Amino acid sequence: AQTVTQSQPEMSVQEAETVTLSCTYDTSESDYYLFWYKQPPSRQMILVIRQEAYKQQNATENRFSVNFQKAAKSFSLKISDSQLGDAAMYFCACPRGIYGGSQGNLIFGKGTKLSVKP
Amino acid sequence: SQTIHQWPATLVQPVGSPLSLECTVEGTSNPNLYWYRQAAGRGLQLLFYSVGIGQISSEVPQNLSASRPQDRQFILSSKKLLLSDSGFYLCAGGRNTEAFFGQGTRLTVV
Repeated sequence: AQTVTQSQPEMSVQEAETVTLSCTYDTSESDYYLFWYKQPPSRQMILVIRQEAYKQQNATENRFSVNFQKAAKSFSLKISDSQLGDAAMYFCACPRGIYGGSQGNLIFGKGTKLSVKP
Repeated sequence: SQTIHQWPATLVQPVGSPLSLECTVEGTSNPNLYWYRQAAGRGLQLLFYSVGIGQISSEVPQNLSASRPQDRQFILSSKKLLLSDSGFYLCAGGRNTEAFFGQGTRLTVV
């Protein structure tokens, strides 16, 4: 069965510094996408970044980047130059399986609460 | 761009009362649609998904049901709410690899 594990319930970072959030997953799919979502206090889920498993190059979106290790089934999120607005819950997600990584049928980790200190 | 509209934002209902949460989609046609529930301090649990009008799949047995009367409309319902139905409910659409979410409904059953 597909699983997603986020081993850090809470993390803290100083403003302008870098923080890495960990995620491991398990899927039987060979071609899939992985996602990091951000949930601010407003509770709306916002896509931060996605990674295509068949691409070796790590995805990057401005200050957000991933370290994708397919063999290890590891998918960590690095936030550079942290800002106060980055404070939120961050969820890692992988496909549920039958849709092969597309179209929103996802399994989520339990989340990591990120605090940013001024 | 694709947008999910979800309402109401907050709802307080007594035990045993009915429930109807509505979700509509803009900016795309024939999306897959999903209802997720998020309990306090936890991740999202998939409740229902739909690949088309009238097509509903349930992921977990529960007191809730879902319907899709139109391509861009997805409804979550209950005939009689339980205390355990309290939580944060998110409607999501899926197309072209990602899920896009509505703003959610916080349901409190009292």
